[in-house]
Amino acid sequence: EVQLVQSGAEVKKPGESLKISCKGSGYSFITYEINWVRQTPGKGLEWMGTIDPSGSYTNYSPSFQGHVTISVDKSITTAYLQWSSLRASDSAMYYCARRSGPFCSSTSCYDLFDPWGQGTLVTVSS
Amino acid sequence: SSELTQDPDVSVALGQTVRITCQGDSLRSYYASWYQQKPGQAPILVIYGKNNRPSGIPDRFSGSSSGNTASLTITGAQAEDEADYYCFSRDSSANRPIFGGGTKLTVL
Repeated sequence: EVQLVQSGAEVKKPGESLKISCKGSGYSFITYEINWVRQTPGKGLEWMGTIDPSGSYTNYSPSFQGHVTISVDKSITTAYLQWSSLRASDSAMYYCARRSGPFCSSTSCYDLFDPWGQGTLVTVSS
Repeated sequence: SSELTQDPDVSVALGQTVRITCQGDSLRSYYASWYQQKPGQAPILVIYGKNNRPSGIPDRFSGSSSGNTASLTITGAQAEDEADYYCFSRDSSANRPIFGGGTKLTVL
């Protein structure tokens, strides 16, 4: 079974650092990008960034560039999302998701995020 | 444009058909995929590509696309379909994924 399992909930203070994880299993880990998605309470899904585990290439949303770092340890099939200095506004649910694609026909392309991890709730409060 | 626009709230009577739409320029060259999210759960993929369902997704879910609009149709909505639905595509010019704002589906 293909699955992504994330680390548990975290409670931190502003200014602290944090690293959460996403472990892939049931597939060739280096073949698929891992993406991170943020969901704030009552809000929608925001793409944060992606990493290609085969070469550690990363691509970040401008909204998160410089504030988070995505990394990977291929030897243990695990991707990471980390902060060096948390803010209260970082309080959210964070999901990892495996990307498949792109798949293209003569007219259109598509890709997809599947599966998703179960989510890691991060609470930042003084 | 790099945005995907969805109606925030849609309702449907039990057993009836409902269409959830998603609009954006990226949909002219990139098919949408659709995700269902129930309270307290991670999103799950329900439709991808032109009109493909992952294993385990009921065939009452279908997808379509025309111009800059993608649609998710549920034919014979069930109580368990009540959830938030997000469309997803890619801003090819910026090489980044984009999500719609989500539609909260209520089954009456």
